[in-house]
Amino acid sequence: GAVVSQHPSWVICKSGTSVKIECRSLDFQATTMFWYRQFPKQSLMLMATSNEGSKATYEQGVEKDKFLINHASLTLSTLTVTSAHPEDSSFYICSARDQRENSPLHFGNGTRLTVT
Amino acid sequence: GNSVTQMEGPVTLSEEAFLTINCTYTATGYPSLFWYVQYPGEGLQLLLKATKADDKGSNKGFEATYRKETTSFHLEKGSVQVSDSAVYFCALGRFGNEKLTFGTGTRLTIIP
Repeated sequence: GAVVSQHPSWVICKSGTSVKIECRSLDFQATTMFWYRQFPKQSLMLMATSNEGSKATYEQGVEKDKFLINHASLTLSTLTVTSAHPEDSSFYICSARDQRENSPLHFGNGTRLTVT
Repeated sequence: GNSVTQMEGPVTLSEEAFLTINCTYTATGYPSLFWYVQYPGEGLQLLLKATKADDKGSNKGFEATYRKETTSFHLEKGSVQVSDSAVYFCALGRFGNEKLTFGTGTRLTIIP
């Protein structure tokens, strides 16, 4: 079945550094991918919609300069957390829709980011 | 706005027990309702969905009925197995529209 690969699965970084998370659709093409964030004991919150070849669309309250999204191909979207701070520590999940009609969303396994 | 309230976990049951995970929602219009499941080490997968009132979604022995009068979409299974151990997420949205609103997730552990 369709698979979305997310890498890394966990990462620890120091405050002030940047971290890149990759989201790949392995056996389908996705013109649109989505990035979610989940704090402990809270819901998944949609952060942004990543569109291949164009700028991402960010949800209200999400800083686009803080969370840089690049969707350079039909199978890869990246989320870069710039100048990370401890409050950015969270679980980040991507999802992608097969561009064929009526396909469900496919989710990655998520990335646990810890900023020290 | 839209919101989903989901039964807090964790939930621990013995094998072959009856399962109910409660989910209620608040939404404008007529959303579709979903249950997603996340098995250990894997991404979220769509378990079942219902797109209109009184619809029943079912898959792998799980069922949930879209109840507009009680704004609920409770997940049930008559006899759970160890392999059902996972985190379950209730969600609402428009089918085909990825702006899903998720509940907090319920961790289910089934013991032999």
